[in-house]
Parts: sequence; structure tokens; C-alpha cells
Amino acid sequence: GDSVTQMEGPVTLSEEAFLTINCTYTATGYPSLFWYVQYPGEGLQLLLKATKADDKGSNKGFEATYRKETTSFHLEKGSVQVSDSAVYFCALSSRLGKSTFGDGTTLTVKP
Amino acid sequence: NAGVTQTPKFQVLKTGQSMTLQCAQDMNHEYMSWYRQDPGMGLRLIHYSVGAGITDQGEVPNGYNVSRSTTEDFPLRLLSAAPSQTSVYFCASSYSSGGAQETQYFGPGTRLLVL
Repeated sequence: GDSVTQMEGPVTLSEEAFLTINCTYTATGYPSLFWYVQYPGEGLQLLLKATKADDKGSNKGFEATYRKETTSFHLEKGSVQVSDSAVYFCALSSRLGKSTFGDGTTLTVKP
Repeated sequence: NAGVTQTPKFQVLKTGQSMTLQCAQDMNHEYMSWYRQDPGMGLRLIHYSVGAGITDQGEVPNGYNVSRSTTEDFPLRLLSAAPSQTSVYFCASSYSSGGAQETQYFGPGTRLLVL
């Protein structure tokens, strides 16, 4: 079945550091790929997405590129802020009407 | 639009009690899903629906029941609560594109404690 593997956390960075959170997936067919973010006490919300190979999703300075050859969708940001502290989830959706999520990576950014 | 709403926000149950977690969306989305979130385990799919009258099991369906009589509502029923069902429950909805699930919109969650 489908699966998503995220780099283990937690991740702690200083403000303005470079962020990478790795995500690889296993799926049949051509899934859409997503990054969601969860702030404390809230539900998940979409950060960015990509629907086909070589697409780059971007939002709020975050980027991720759909790499079919390496089955990856790594999240990057060039300069993190304290307000980026949250839990980040990589996810894929198939044509079966459901999604598969990674375990989440907790990011803490210190001033 | 209210988006996805969930009630209650917090609930305490005793082992063996039953209850229904409510979920409603006003975006006319075809797809709705229920997840549970436990520390270190990400989100696990309980049940999902691709339209009114159509439901299917996810990864962890045991002990839970769902029905989808309207597009808007997707209640989750706990038949006989157990301490292992202590968790945070999220409902989500999305539209479809070519049969694939598009961006999911999540509710604020229901925190359930089973004693």
C-alpha cells in the first residue's frame, strides 16, 4: 500500500537558518503530494502541494519539488523564523479518495 | 463559510460508553475523512467517504462506525469506548480531481479522554 516516510524529529534551528525536512513516498500510480502544517492546538492546514512530476510547490518562503525518480518531496526554506515553529506533515493522495500521512516533524526555531 | 466544524471540542468518557463525534462542512466537498492523531504516530485514517451513501474503512476502523446520509455531515460513532481510543480526532473534507483527493480542509479537532 501507499506509505510516506519523513525524517525523524524533532528539529531545532536558530532563526535565519536553512531548513530541510526530508520526505519520501511509496505509491502506485501518480499521487499528488502535499505538505501540511499544524500549529499548537489547531488542525492541519495546507502549506503547499504538487500534482505531477517536476512540479514545485511554494508558499510563505517554503518550497518542495516533486521528484518522481527519487520518490521524494523534501521541504526547504532558506531562512526560518520563530513563527515557523510547528509540526510539518508530508502526505500523498491517491485516486482512491484517501490520503496517507507521514508521522510529522516538529520544528522549533529559537531566536 | 464556516469550513469544517467539529463538536464537541473536548469529551471525557468512561470505558464502555458510546458517543458520536459530529463533523460538518459547508463547502460542498465530495470527500470526507476521519483521522486520529496520537503522539509520534502522525495521522491515521479511521474511515472515509467519497460521497453521500458511500463509506469505506481506513487504517484503524475497529471500534468506530460512520455513515454519510448527506454531503454536509459525516458523524463518527464510538460503539463502546476503550482507553486505547483516547486521542485527538480530526475530520477533514476535500473535493476530487480526476478521482484523486485534492487539498484537505481540517476541522479544529475533538480531544477525547476515555477513563
